[in-house]
Amino acid sequence: DTEVTQTPKHLVMGMTNKKSLKCEQHMGHRAMYWYKQKAKKPPELMFVYSYEKLSINESVPSRFSPECPNSSLLNLHLHALQPEDSALYLCASSPVQSSYEQYFGPGTRLTVT
Amino acid sequence: GESVGLHLPTLSVQEGDNSIINCAYSNSASDYFIWYKQESGKGPQFIIDIRSNMDKRQGQRVTVLLNKTVKHLSLQIAATQPGDSAVYFCAETTNTGNQFYFGTGTSLTVIP
Repeated sequence: DTEVTQTPKHLVMGMTNKKSLKCEQHMGHRAMYWYKQKAKKPPELMFVYSYEKLSINESVPSRFSPECPNSSLLNLHLHALQPEDSALYLCASSPVQSSYEQYFGPGTRLTVT
Repeated sequence: GESVGLHLPTLSVQEGDNSIINCAYSNSASDYFIWYKQESGKGPQFIIDIRSNMDKRQGQRVTVLLNKTVKHLSLQIAATQPGDSAVYFCAETTNTGNQFYFGTGTSLTVIP
């Protein structure tokens, strides 16, 4: 299984809602990533988990809260988001953090109203 | 942080022609340079990488060239096919994986 899955595919939420994005991989990878991608822009790294521990937080606002319950799962908890947070949220994994080849999921298209 | 940019935002080529996509980078400390392809509605897909101590690397129909003197990276696609239509991003990272930056992206359109 060389696939990274993400749920949901689409999400519409209000600014007062709490929601979560989920990511799963069964490749035995020990590094997992969250990226944010705006339309016609490159992905921007948000968080990196290495061996289930937060390794990198690229100064992301606290309304985004990542969680890595186990080596296969990565969540992104969302609370009190702003309309400008609307974007495609991509999850990726790699064998270890120093691996240059990352495997991306299809993303969750988030719209904040 | 350091940035990786691309010279051309869009590129149109005839089917069967060769495509060249360019990228300029600014972090001379990067150890790996990677090309990703992102089709509409999908996440980026790894194409090919090159280590900083190499000048050229070839894959299936693709070649990546690295010119460290002018900090320039290019992706050459031979005999471009309609399935090659996508946005292409260059990216750079370090041996430790503490940095990972994507470039601006080039949208490639293949004309049948």
